[in-house]
Amino acid sequence: DTAVSQTPKYLVTQMGNDKSIKCEQNLGHDTMYWYKQDSKKFLKIMFSYNNKELIINETVPNRFSPKSPDKAHLNLHINSLELGDSAVYFCASSLGSGVIPHEQYFGPGTRLTVT
Amino acid sequence: AQKVTQAQTEISVVEKEDVTLDCVYETRDTTYYLFWYKQPPSGELVFLIRRNSFDEQNEISGRYSWNFQKSTSSFNFTITASQVVDSAVYFCALWGTGRRALTFGSGTRLQVQP
Repeated sequence: DTAVSQTPKYLVTQMGNDKSIKCEQNLGHDTMYWYKQDSKKFLKIMFSYNNKELIINETVPNRFSPKSPDKAHLNLHINSLELGDSAVYFCASSLGSGVIPHEQYFGPGTRLTVT
Repeated sequence: AQKVTQAQTEISVVEKEDVTLDCVYETRDTTYYLFWYKQPPSGELVFLIRRNSFDEQNEISGRYSWNFQKSTSSFNFTITASQVVDSAVYFCALWGTGRRALTFGSGTRLQVQP
């Protein structure tokens, strides 16, 4: 059973398009995250949600909008894609409310290429 | 502000050598947590260890060991008798109770040659 799954695994699209990446976890965790990993492997938090409530929203352009329909899902919608959005996006989940950090379980990543 | 520095961009060793990956952190929080994650060539991130700021005991898990020194703000990771399967990018990360998010270092790519 896959603990944290993301779809799609690869996404190639043109500038200006809108796309979504879906994330689901079957671990019963309360907190979910989105990270961006750039071409130099640098990992940065974008958003975190606890029980469908937004906890962290880093300085991410408002073209990025996370949506959490329930605590097992955290989707990422990106409007008006730009070349600089090309990266690997990782979803993760963990126990707890985020005050005391627990181990984060990461999804396999979605490689987004904007042409 | 929080910062994690992994000064070693890439390390190459021959199998069975011991190797130490350095991690230096900065935070103003008195309570914080330190992590190591492994990212093998397949791309997924794998949790290795979590340490809180009040526990300076070193930890050993098989061939892996971690040395936490608050006095030098370091949390170094040693692999003993390295194996080809250890080849990966290793990330050190910091969680401060003020920010409630992981701040990752830039990673160290370890290549273990047969």
